[in-house]
Formats: sequence, C-alpha cells, structure tokens
Amino acid sequence: GQQLNQSPQSMFIQEGEDVSMNCTSSSIFNTWLWYKQEPGEGPVLLIALYKAGELTSNGRLTAQFGITRKDSFLNISASIPSDVGIYFCAGPAARAGGTSYGKLTFGQGTILTVHP
Amino acid sequence: NAGVTQTPKFRVLKTGQSMTLLCAQDMNHEYMYWYRQDPGMGLRLIHYSVGEGTTAKGEVPDGYNVSRLKKQNFLLGLESAAPSQTSVYFCASRIEFGSSYEQYFGPGTRLTVT
Repeated sequence: GQQLNQSPQSMFIQEGEDVSMNCTSSSIFNTWLWYKQEPGEGPVLLIALYKAGELTSNGRLTAQFGITRKDSFLNISASIPSDVGIYFCAGPAARAGGTSYGKLTFGQGTILTVHP
Repeated sequence: NAGVTQTPKFRVLKTGQSMTLLCAQDMNHEYMYWYRQDPGMGLRLIHYSVGEGTTAKGEVPDGYNVSRLKKQNFLLGLESAAPSQTSVYFCASRIEFGSSYEQYFGPGTRLTVT
C-alpha cells in the first residue's frame, strides 16, 4: 500500500540550530502537507504545497515540494524551545478510481527535541 | 470561531463498555474524518463523512461506528470497547474546495480501555 517515510525518526538539537527533515513516498503526490503536533494537542497545519518544485515559507519554516513529486522537505531555521513537537508529513491517499474524498496518508512523524 | 472541538478530552472504559465521542466544527465544512493515533504509527483513518447523512469506512473501521446527522457534528461510537482501542482519537474537517486537501484537527480524546 501507499507509504510515507519520514526521516529522521527523532532529533535532539540545541536551541539556535537549523533543522532539516524529509518525507518520501512510494508513489507520486500532487500535494504535500506538513503538520506540527505539540504534546497533548491535535496536529496543526504548517505549510501546504501544491506544485512540484514549490518552495514555501511560514516564518522560520520552509518547505519544498520535491521535483520528482515523491518527496518533500521541511527546514526550521534558528530553532527555539517552542519548536518541540512531532512533525508529520501528509499527502492524498491513493485511490483506485474516482475521488479520494480528501483522505490523507500520514508519515510516522519526526520527533523534535530542542535543548535550551 | 472555535474550529474543531472534541468531547470528552479523557475517558477510561472497562472492556465491553460502550461510549460515543463527539466532534463538532463551526467552519461549515462538508468533509469530516475520525483518526486514531498510536505510538510510531502516525494517524490512521477510521471513518469519514463527505456530508450530512453520509459516512464511509477508512483504513481501520472495525469496532467503530459513526453518524453524521447534522453537518457540524460527527460522532464516533464504540459499541463494545476492547483494550486494542486504547488510543488517542482525533477528529478533522475539510472544506470541499477545488484541490485543497487541508484538514483541520481537534484537540483529541485520550481513551484508555482496561
């Protein structure tokens, strides 16, 4: 079945460092979404990407839609303690035919810990 | 504008008990989804709805039922809870607009079945 693999599974960094994580798919995607989940909360949408090669920023966060359409990258610059959380990538679920009804497939998440 | 809300926030059930989780959204979204989140497994879709009065099975529907009697509410039911249903449950909604796949999540319900 369709899978999204996120790398790395976890990261332990010092405040002020830059962070890079990625997500790869076994099939081509036409949309990539990046979510952040803080402890005890639901996922919050950070960035949505709709075009191969697209580079989109949201504050210190930058995400890119890979040109092969099988991967996406998320970078966080100058990390701060409140960046702690789990970062998920997501893309449209595969469908046999017709509409997918907006269903998403999620990666397993990258757990980010930031030491002050 | 509260977005997506879920009740209750926490619940402990004994094996065999039943319960209903409520999801409400005030964004007039057509599509609603129920997920479960287990350690190391990301989010898995249980059931979803494309509009009032409609429901459909997701990836892991067994042991759950849903209803969407009103557009703003999506209920998830467990008729006979099992320890394997211990999880964190999230509801999400999405507006039906073009090619947008953006889903907006509630804060979650943490369920423990003993």
